Amino acid sequence: KAGVTQTPRYLIKTRGQQVTLSCSPISGHRSVSWYQQTPGQGLQFLFEYFSETQRNKGNFPGRFSGRQFSNSRSEMNVSTLELGDSALYLCASSLSGTTHENIQYFGAGTRLSVL
Amino acid sequence: AQSVTQPDIHITVSEGASLELRCNYSYGATPYLFWYVQSPGQGLQLLLKYFSGDTLVQGIKGFEAEFKRSQSSFNLRKPSVHWSDAAEYFCAVSPGYALNFGKGTSLLVTP
Repeated sequence: KAGVTQTPRYLIKTRGQQVTLSCSPISGHRSVSWYQQTPGQGLQFLFEYFSETQRNKGNFPGRFSGRQFSNSRSEMNVSTLELGDSALYLCASSLSGTTHENIQYFGAGTRLSVL
Repeated sequence: AQSVTQPDIHITVSEGASLELRCNYSYGATPYLFWYVQSPGQGLQLLLKYFSGDTLVQGIKGFEAEFKRSQSSFNLRKPSVHWSDAAEYFCAVSPGYALNFGKGTSLLVTP
């Protein structure tokens, strides 16, 4: 069974631009979560999608948004990029996101650099 | 609010030596606890998890962890470290959806 796939692996953008990151979950997984990893703040939860609906959200500004499609694939969008948005963005999928099934499997991440 | 503390930012061990990585959590209910490992340039790989039951859990790659409610700890152990174990290790607690991660412990393995 294929793992979580994130594309692209690397991105370079300039301040003010917007960016879209993609995540394909493990087959059969319906929950997709996004995390931001930076050296200063560590791993922080952005949001979680289940059945095309945002079910949970972390403490990030509205510039960070996402969506999920009917095939469970998810995209994350960041608008008006700031230098501080440079980070590794990780996507994780799980069966349903409920407690006993919430074993999250991570992709390799998208490394975003904002210049 | 729940939180996870990994007191050691860096740990250096010799190949073949034993390893213990510390993790303390703060959580009001029964925690769901995880250890993940991250190699350079890679995502996170699940080593092991604790939901309930036996407090000593076995994971992949020869790792184990012990849940101690009285000490609010979930320390990761390995009897004999291999050079390939050099990586960043993250402890995490989950309320049921998001994972709250510690800051991580970077493991260096010397010959």
